[in-house]
Amino acid sequence: DTEVTQTPKHLVMGMTNKKSLKCEQHMGHRAMYWYKQKAKKPPELMFVYSYEKLSINESVPSRFSPECPNSSLLNLHLHALQPEDSALYLCASSYQSGDRGRVLVNEQFFGPGTRLTVL
Amino acid sequence: AQSVTQLDSHVSVSEGTPVLLRCNYSSSYSPSLFWYVQHPNKGLQLLLKYTSAATLVKGINGFEAEFKKSETSFHLTKPSAHMSDAAEYFCVVSFPLIYNQGGKLIFGQGTELSVKP
Repeated sequence: DTEVTQTPKHLVMGMTNKKSLKCEQHMGHRAMYWYKQKAKKPPELMFVYSYEKLSINESVPSRFSPECPNSSLLNLHLHALQPEDSALYLCASSYQSGDRGRVLVNEQFFGPGTRLTVL
Repeated sequence: AQSVTQLDSHVSVSEGTPVLLRCNYSSSYSPSLFWYVQHPNKGLQLLLKYTSAATLVKGINGFEAEFKKSETSFHLTKPSAHMSDAAEYFCVVSFPLIYNQGGKLIFGQGTELSVKP
C-alpha cells in the first residue's frame, strides 16, 4: 500500500464548531506532516510528527491542534476557526532518518487533501 | 540557505509539442530535488526525484529532468504534451532528514501548465 488517505474530502464548518481531519498511511513511515495550501500557492508546513512525537510546529495558532495516536494515524483537531483558515489541508508521510538503515532523502507522499470552508 | 525559483508562473503549450518548466535552486550542500504535480483540487503526486545518482532523471508519464550543478538548475521536460498534463507543477528542494525531526521541503511558487488542443 503506497497511499495516504484523508477524510473527509470536504468540510464546511462554522466559526464555533469543533471538527477533526484524519490522515492514515500504512507504508511504515514514521514521519507525518500537516500542510495548509491556499489557492494558487505552494503548501505551507504546519506540523511535523516524528515517531509519534511533535517535532516541528511552524508557529501555528492554537485553534489547530494536531494529534498522532499511533504510527499510522494523524489527526488535526479544529476549533474556533476563522474564515481565513479556509484552505486545502494536506497530509504527507515519509520515512524517518533512522528507518531501514540510514534514510536521508526526505521523499514525502501526499494525501488527496481535505477542502475546508469556514463560514 | 536553501531556496527554489520557478522561472515561469504560467506556461501554455499545444498538445503534442514539447514541455519545458524551468527551476533554479540555491543550496549550501548537495540537495535532493523533486518535481511534484497537482491537478485541480487534488493532492501532490511525485513526478520524479534527484538524489545524487544519475543527473538525468526519468519520471512518470514521460517526464524527465536534468540536474545541472554548474547552472543550479533542475528543469522539467516532456517531448510531447498531452491534455491530461494540464496542472500545477512544483519544484521542491529538500533538507536532509534529521533524526527525530522529520524533514522540511522548500517549494517553488509553482508553474501552471495549460495544454491547448
